[in-house]
Parts: sequence; structure tokens; C-alpha cells
Amino acid sequence: SQQGEEDPQALSIQEGENATMNCSYKTSINNLQWYRQNSGRGLVHLILIRSNEREKHSGRLRVTLDTSKKSSSLLITASRAADTASYFCSYSGGSNYKLTFGKGTLLTVNP
Amino acid sequence: GAGVSQTPSNKVTEKGKYVELRCDPISGHTALYWYRQSLGQGPEFLIYFQGTGAADDSGLPNDRFFAVRPEGSVSTLKIQRTERGDSAMYLCASSLTPAGVGDTQYFGPGTRLTVL
Repeated sequence: SQQGEEDPQALSIQEGENATMNCSYKTSINNLQWYRQNSGRGLVHLILIRSNEREKHSGRLRVTLDTSKKSSSLLITASRAADTASYFCSYSGGSNYKLTFGKGTLLTVNP
Repeated sequence: GAGVSQTPSNKVTEKGKYVELRCDPISGHTALYWYRQSLGQGPEFLIYFQGTGAADDSGLPNDRFFAVRPEGSVSTLKIQRTERGDSAMYLCASSLTPAGVGDTQYFGPGTRLTVL
């Protein structure tokens, strides 16, 4: 069963705008990771944030983590049409290897 | 290799048939994982190998599913007596080691299985 939730389920924006996706989870975690999946393809790892970190940046990506609220957000700045994909958050808890995924956010960036 | 590879990329089979899906992890990665992703859903954990042994197979849905990793590198997911409900994308991932925080799982392109 899936215990993570991404919000919104779908997001449509214009090229150049920022996109924000949120993730909530229900258990204590060791780290949280965001992945991107283009239609019908495998997952591409974007960024990992550890439970003792609050914010992390990678290029146009900014991830925040609030363990008190059990939530994370992914911000993509200056979006491009090529950013169109599904975005998933995933996390590992006590086992530290079994990733739990949400249903993802489908991002569409219109040129 | 440079990344995780999976073969075949697509597999169409008939109900009741046996299928094998192959995963070739990143060279040197000791941990290997199989996930299954149904349409519109996120991936769900199936099984995890540390070296040659299945350390956790709690995600396998039933005894028709079996996976091996005999030499601690390539893994094969085997599905017997396939059912239409087995249709999904099967994803393989590997990581350098499962221990400790900050260990990234790198995914392959997946095998899309369709059971007619």
C-alpha cells in the first residue's frame, strides 16, 4: 500500500513559471527522495534530503523538509517544457532500503 | 555499465504463461531492488537483495512471483502462471549499499509487462 501523498495530483503551468509540488507522509523517515518519471519510462533521481536537513538545492530544484509536519515540497524554478513529467516523492523509514512512493504529481509545462 | 539496464523493455504474454524479467545493476552496487508500478500509481516494493540473498521479499504478491540473483549481480524476476492483473511496469533499482542514510536508489528504464 502507498503511504505517501503528493499534492496536487496534476499541475499545468506556462514555461518560465515556477512549479511547487508537495508531499506528505505518515511514518518517521531517514531520508526523502524526489524522482522524475517521463511517460512510460523509468525513474530519474532528482534529489535526496536527509531527516536532519531542512532545505536543499540542486540547480533549479529546491526541496524542503518539515519532519514535524511530515511534509516535503519540491520547487522547480523557471520551468521548461522538458520538465513535463510525473514527480514522485519517496522515503525510507526504519528499514532504510524499502522506498515508499506516493501516486505522484503530473506536471505539464506548456511552451 | 553506466546505469541500470532491464530487458526486455516490453513483454507481451498470454494468461497462464511463464515470464522472466532481467535486471543488470550498476557495476559494484551490492543492493538490488524490484518494484512494480501499476498505471497511475507510484512504484511498490517487491523484493530486496543484498548480495546474492533475498533480504526482504515481503512485497512479492504471492508464490507465483520469485526472484534470484545467483552471482550477486544480475537478477531475474520470474512470474509463473501469469494473470491479467500482473500487467504493470516492473522496475529494478540498485544502490551502492543499503546501509546508512543518504543511499540513493538508481532505477532502470523498466519492463512493461502486458498479460493478455
